[in-house]
Amino acid sequence: DVKVTQSSRYLVKRTGEKVFLECVQDMDHENMFWYRQDPGLGLRLIYFSYDVKMKEKGDIPEGYSVSREKKERFSLILESASTNQTSMYLCASTRRGWGNTIYFGEGSWLTVV
Amino acid sequence: GDSVTQMEGPVTLSEEAFLTINCTYTATGYPSLFWYVQYPGEGLQLLLKATKADDKGSNKGFEATYRKETTSFHLEKGSVQVSDSAVYFCALYNTDKLIFGTGTRLQVFP
Repeated sequence: DVKVTQSSRYLVKRTGEKVFLECVQDMDHENMFWYRQDPGLGLRLIYFSYDVKMKEKGDIPEGYSVSREKKERFSLILESASTNQTSMYLCASTRRGWGNTIYFGEGSWLTVV
Repeated sequence: GDSVTQMEGPVTLSEEAFLTINCTYTATGYPSLFWYVQYPGEGLQLLLKATKADDKGSNKGFEATYRKETTSFHLEKGSVQVSDSAVYFCALYNTDKLIFGTGTRLQVFP
């Protein structure tokens, strides 16, 4: 079975802290994604990556950065966490190409206080 | 840019009722279309998908047909169960990006 693993299910951080959310997939997928999910707004794409060291901004990249040093790992970084970044963060991965299934992690609930 | 629009919820039904959740999309080229489901406290699970026009995706009694002429991918089920209560997301995948709708909450009562 394909597995997308997010390192932390629940985190509480203070305003101004640097936060790392890690995502690892075990199926050699080229494409990886970070979303945030908020009530009434659905899933919004923050960043995605289609290869090692490659990244593209999604719809809401402000306040976030990402790192893809190895193919299996895609990290989301909040340089200075703010309360409006309190949300559920979801990582996903897929093989490059048309029609492939996208697999999601279980999500990371981040609360910034 | 590409986008997905789905009906607002919540959708409230009695058990064994017929379900339709509408989804329309805007995209260039030939996107793949998906329905994902999220049960309370869990991540997203793929429910079904369709990769080209007129394809029908189906799973667990749910169906959706890729209609290019109406740019739609409506989700249907003939007889819902209480266990189907969840949030349903329509999504498209195009040029390496996966775009979601806002989600529709389904509540099924006995």
